[in-house]
Amino acid sequence: EAGVTQFPSHSVIEKGQTVTLRCDPISGHDNLYWYRRVMGKEIKFLLHFVKESKQDESGMPNNRFLAERTGGTYSTLKVQPAELEDSGVYFCASSQEHDRELFFGEGSRLTVL
Amino acid sequence: AQSVAQPEDQVNVAEGNPLTVKCTYSVSGNPYLFWYVQYPNRGLQFLLKYITGDNLVKGSYGFEAEFNKSQTSFHLKKPSALVSDSALYFCAVRLDYNTDKLIFGTGTRLQVFP
Repeated sequence: EAGVTQFPSHSVIEKGQTVTLRCDPISGHDNLYWYRRVMGKEIKFLLHFVKESKQDESGMPNNRFLAERTGGTYSTLKVQPAELEDSGVYFCASSQEHDRELFFGEGSRLTVL
Repeated sequence: AQSVAQPEDQVNVAEGNPLTVKCTYSVSGNPYLFWYVQYPNRGLQFLLKYITGDNLVKGSYGFEAEFNKSQTSFHLKKPSALVSDSALYFCAVRLDYNTDKLIFGTGTRLQVFP
């Protein structure tokens, strides 16, 4: 069974550009989460989807970040326009249902120059 | 503010020696506590969790953690370290049953020397 996959593994862009990160959860997992780790800091929650609905987006830093999960399968996280402080590793995780183990992807490293 | 603290950025230990990675938390109520590990070029992997019951929790790869409510700690331990245990370890807390949102610590890099 494939795990949580994220693409790209690493993206380097210039300030002001747009980047879209993609997450494919484990098949059948309704819950999908995005987290972010800025260099050396804690991993912070961004948002939580249940199927295609945003259950909790309290961690989204500002309106430059847009997350979608059309059809309740894969999810995208778009940053537009990117700023220097957006650099970090973006993790996606999925779980089959509430209160079940979270499975994390390898992360997408974003570097904004 | 609710938070998780991992006071050590790095822990160094010789292979075969016991290891401890420290974690303390500051949350209201009765938290659910977790440890995750990240090996190089891999995603976060679940190690163990404490929900309720016995304060000593056993997890994957021979790791265990002890919940101490009075000290608000959840230190990760292993009796005999392996070089392959070298990785980044994250402590996390889930505030209650009704949310899946995790609050993580800053991570501790464990280096086990042969």
